Amino acid sequence: DAGVIQSPRHEVTEMGQEVTLRCKPISGHDYLFWYRQTMMRGLELLIYFNNNVPIDDSGMPEDRFSAKMPNASFSTLKIQPSEPRDSAVYFCASSFGTPNTEAFFGQGTRLTVV
Amino acid sequence: QKEVEQNSGPLSVPEGAIASLNCTYSDRGSQSFFWYRQYSGKSPELIMSIYSNGDKEDGRFTAQLNKASQYVSLLIRDSQPSDSATYLCAVGRGYQKVTFGTGTKLQVIP
Repeated sequence: DAGVIQSPRHEVTEMGQEVTLRCKPISGHDYLFWYRQTMMRGLELLIYFNNNVPIDDSGMPEDRFSAKMPNASFSTLKIQPSEPRDSAVYFCASSFGTPNTEAFFGQGTRLTVV
Repeated sequence: QKEVEQNSGPLSVPEGAIASLNCTYSDRGSQSFFWYRQYSGKSPELIMSIYSNGDKEDGRFTAQLNKASQYVSLLIRDSQPSDSATYLCAVGRGYQKVTFGTGTKLQVIP
């Protein structure tokens, strides 16, 4: 398996624009997680899905953020409108069985909002 | 109080020495404990998981768990420059999400 695949790897956008981050989890994994990492706050869980259903979105910072998982092999994280404080590295991860087993991370998307 | 606490470091150790990384957690019901390694500019990767009190060894790595004192540690024997990275402690409980600490940066000096 190629592992968790995220795209794009880097994204630079202007404030106010819509940003869409994409993730393909490992085949067979039933949990998918979206994390955000910054120097100040470390690794924060934004939302996670089980079998394509959002389970906990309490980490989503505000209504500008939304996430979907239309099928078992694809998820998106959308920010609309984007703001400079959204600049961070966004990781997608997947796991199998429970939300607290070993998680496999994608390579991340480095988002810069100018 | 943070749910998972780690000293941010940097922790500097000479090559060949033992590096000791510590993590404390607040939820006494926590059941699963993980150590992830993250190289600069890369994604976290799991290096150890531990679920029971005591020690778990894997090569040069030993994870130690003490649930009564609510701490988990990672020992790296014979530290190598390639071990220089940030080490993230993560704690989970039942079917709840895992919580990560902010990480300890380790520098192994040749």
